[in-house]
Amino acid sequence: NAGVTQTPKFQVLKTGQSMTLQCAQDMNHNSMYWYRQDPGMGLRLIYYSASEGTTDKGEVPNGYNVSRLNKREFSLRLESAAPSQTSVYFCASGTAFGYTFGSGTRLTVV
Amino acid sequence: KQEVTQIPAALSVPEGENLVLNCSFTDSAIYNLQWFRQDPGKGLTSLLLIQSSQREQTSGRLNASLDKSSGRSTLYIAASQPGDSATYLCALEGTGGFKTIFGAGTRLFVKA
Repeated sequence: NAGVTQTPKFQVLKTGQSMTLQCAQDMNHNSMYWYRQDPGMGLRLIYYSASEGTTDKGEVPNGYNVSRLNKREFSLRLESAAPSQTSVYFCASGTAFGYTFGSGTRLTVV
Repeated sequence: KQEVTQIPAALSVPEGENLVLNCSFTDSAIYNLQWFRQDPGKGLTSLLLIQSSQREQTSGRLNASLDKSSGRSTLYIAASQPGDSATYLCALEGTGGFKTIFGAGTRLFVKA
């Protein structure tokens, strides 16, 4: 099925650990995004990639890094996880005609 | 800075009722506005997208309108059903591109 695939779906980290969230899309979209969703705050943009080989900061980039590996894949890395990064993370890809979201990664940092 | 507000934060209605969800924004320089549905523990599903030059879009029992001059969009749901229970989010893409701003959502509960 065409869409956006995120892995893993759930993850628990200890403070200071690192991990990479993976995202892949098969819709041939140029633009890809990483958001975090926290209760009562909607979705906030962490990083985005307008095209292969480019990345830019969004609203809340601190503590994160990204890699646009190719047109299909856009990964999000937490180098040293902190409890404030406990959230649900969504990857999306899109065009001027709208976005498609992955099913999310629920991350808990203890 | 663009700010997006959705009121009410939560809404409970009996089955069969027609209802309106509201989305307001502060900067009218938008490229498009999109309405999403999110079920608990799930990702977002796109419902309707309105381009800046359009006034409304319809899909089945859903109708979304856009009034840039007043900074408002509404999502109208006709003959609501228990299966419509979910959180509804609006999202705006500014004319600068690539940075979509989301509202916090309205949690809808339709009682059978």
